[in-house]
Amino acid sequence: QVQLVQSGAEVKKPGSSVKVSCTASGGTSKYYTFNWVRQAPGQGLEWLGGFIPIVNIANYAQSFQGRITITADKSTSTAYMELSGLKNEDTAVYFCADSGTATTPVYWGQGSLVTVSS
Amino acid sequence: QVVLTQSPSASASLGGSVKLTCSLSSGHNTYVIAWHQQQPGKGPRCLMKLNSDGSHIKGDGIPDRFSGSSSGTERYLTISSLQSEDEADYYCQTWGTGYWVFGGGTKLTVL
Repeated sequence: QVQLVQSGAEVKKPGSSVKVSCTASGGTSKYYTFNWVRQAPGQGLEWLGGFIPIVNIANYAQSFQGRITITADKSTSTAYMELSGLKNEDTAVYFCADSGTATTPVYWGQGSLVTVSS
Repeated sequence: QVVLTQSPSASASLGGSVKLTCSLSSGHNTYVIAWHQQQPGKGPRCLMKLNSDGSHIKGDGIPDRFSGSSSGTERYLTISSLQSEDEADYYCQTWGTGYWVFGGGTKLTVL
């Protein structure tokens, strides 16, 4: 069973950046495929992007291109999601998730609340 | 890119059963999807990954009351013996090369 533990809540000013971490443990796969999803207050789930460690490639949702960077440190099984140019509407809970494999489910982190406010 | 469509709301009686639907856009009938449950104030948890033939991989600790089935571009989640804690938002999700997609979610009310 995979466990994903995320960093704590953040309060940021408009125009600044935030970096959220997600550390994975457990499971039998050597690598974790990290994805980042957010949920604004009262809204549904929105995919931001993902990182595939085996090929060291990050993919991003078009609406976040240019202001999101996802990286991962394979040695510590930790992924990072940095979002820049923060706006009030970026206030949301940010979740990391491991895609799993063909025989395992998706695993979710506990979420990190990011509040953007002047 | 595939699009997932869900009804915004559903309701069913305590102890009864309900079948939720996730519709994939035309031409995407082979896609595997995942069903996620999000109880009020909590993060999502994966109920299952559901294949186009109806076979599925359950999430950790998910009871047998939750089952999945498929038909063409439709993916279903059936919850039987409904309990109060099943009142939650249910999202379907799928993926392609380099992207994930979510349905809009169905809010289930247990009466």
